Amino acid sequence: DTAVSQTPKYLVTQMGNDKSIKCEQNLGHDTMYWYKQDSKKFLKIMFSYNNKELIINETVPNRFSPKSPDKAHLNLHINSLELGDSAVYFCASSFGPSTGNTIYFGEGSWLTVV
Amino acid sequence: AQSVTQPDIHITVSEGASLELRCNYSYGATPYLFWYVQSPGQGLQLLLKYFSGDTLVQGIKGFEAEFKRSQSSFNLRKPSVHWSDAAEYFCAVGVDDMRFGAGTRLTVKP
Repeated sequence: DTAVSQTPKYLVTQMGNDKSIKCEQNLGHDTMYWYKQDSKKFLKIMFSYNNKELIINETVPNRFSPKSPDKAHLNLHINSLELGDSAVYFCASSFGPSTGNTIYFGEGSWLTVV
Repeated sequence: AQSVTQPDIHITVSEGASLELRCNYSYGATPYLFWYVQSPGQGLQLLLKYFSGDTLVQGIKGFEAEFKRSQSSFNLRKPSVHWSDAAEYFCAVGVDDMRFGAGTRLTVKP
């Protein structure tokens, strides 16, 4: 009964390719996020959606495009992958956008661009 | 500038020894404060959080943290570390958004 599930867990792809990471949460949360964790373990928010609407869009290249078909899903599509995109991408969710809410994380998707 | 700092990148303790992981923040107001743990190959799991009230907060797995307003700190402690505690620990603060510290990697010696 995974609360926040993301697929694939591991992805190795060539530069220039387009790839997607899917995320689903079964917690009934309204808010979902994508975080990026680099090789130094630094964790940074990329996007946040509340009830399918974008509320946080950090400085992220346009090659990254989130899509939320409903509030239980937030997929991340990446165009023209670059070496520097190699990282772990975490999907997460919370009851609402308030920073007082606990954020529940998925297990991560390890993306390696070669 | 708003920031959260974990001064220790890597800490090694012996099993059974006590542990303290440091976290300092710089915000205009008292933010919401969290500690998360990330086991190898896993996502982040909430250990505990502080909003207001009692400044000593109890969490899961025997962890506790103390909020000290005068020092802008929210240090994580555990009286006796187990080998399974080896992981990466992240302090996080939330005001306008959630910001994570750079993490502290804990190694536990047998």
